[in-house]
Amino acid sequence: GDSVTQMEGPVTLSEEAFLTINCTYTATGYPSLFWYVQYPGEGLQLLLKATKADDKGSNKGFEATYRKETTSFHLEKGSVQVSDSAVYFCALLVSGNTPLVFGKGTRLSVIA
Amino acid sequence: GAGVSQSPSNKVTEKGKDVELRCDPISGHTALYWYRQSLGQGLEFLIYFQGNSAPDKSGLPSDRFSAERTGGSVSTLTIQRTQQEDSAVYLCASSLLYNEQFFGPGTRLTVL
Repeated sequence: GDSVTQMEGPVTLSEEAFLTINCTYTATGYPSLFWYVQYPGEGLQLLLKATKADDKGSNKGFEATYRKETTSFHLEKGSVQVSDSAVYFCALLVSGNTPLVFGKGTRLSVIA
Repeated sequence: GAGVSQSPSNKVTEKGKDVELRCDPISGHTALYWYRQSLGQGLEFLIYFQGNSAPDKSGLPSDRFSAERTGGSVSTLTIQRTQQEDSAVYLCASSLLYNEQFFGPGTRLTVL
């Protein structure tokens, strides 16, 4: 079945460090890929998305590129801030109005 | 409203009681989804609606769980005879056809 695997957390970084959170997927067809973020005490928010191979999603300094050949959608940010501390979820959508398939989430803590 | 709303935000109940959780989707969104977020379990799909019908109920964990949607809008998730393992944050999301899902803030359910 369809699945998403993302790196286990927690990840702790110093402010201004480079961030990579790995995400790989297994899916039939050509899914859309998403990163959602959950800040402490809040609901999930869409961070970025990519709908086809080689697309790059970007938002708030975060980027992820849809790599069909490696079935990956790794999240990166060049310089993290304390305010980026949150749980990050990689997800895929196989078609239309179907449920998102989520990874288990990666907790990021950024310390000043 | 501008976003997905859920009520109550917190619910504490005793084992064996029934609970109802409510979701108000974004106006005009045709699809509505329920997920469950448990500590250490990530995000688990429960059920989704297209209009008032539920094409996929495969995620409901037991027959104590049921959901309905009326008027293509508000949805209610009902858990009968609650058990301690039902304690979790229940998330609702809505979407337009073939678009990303927008999440509500969730209902935190605690079963004592």
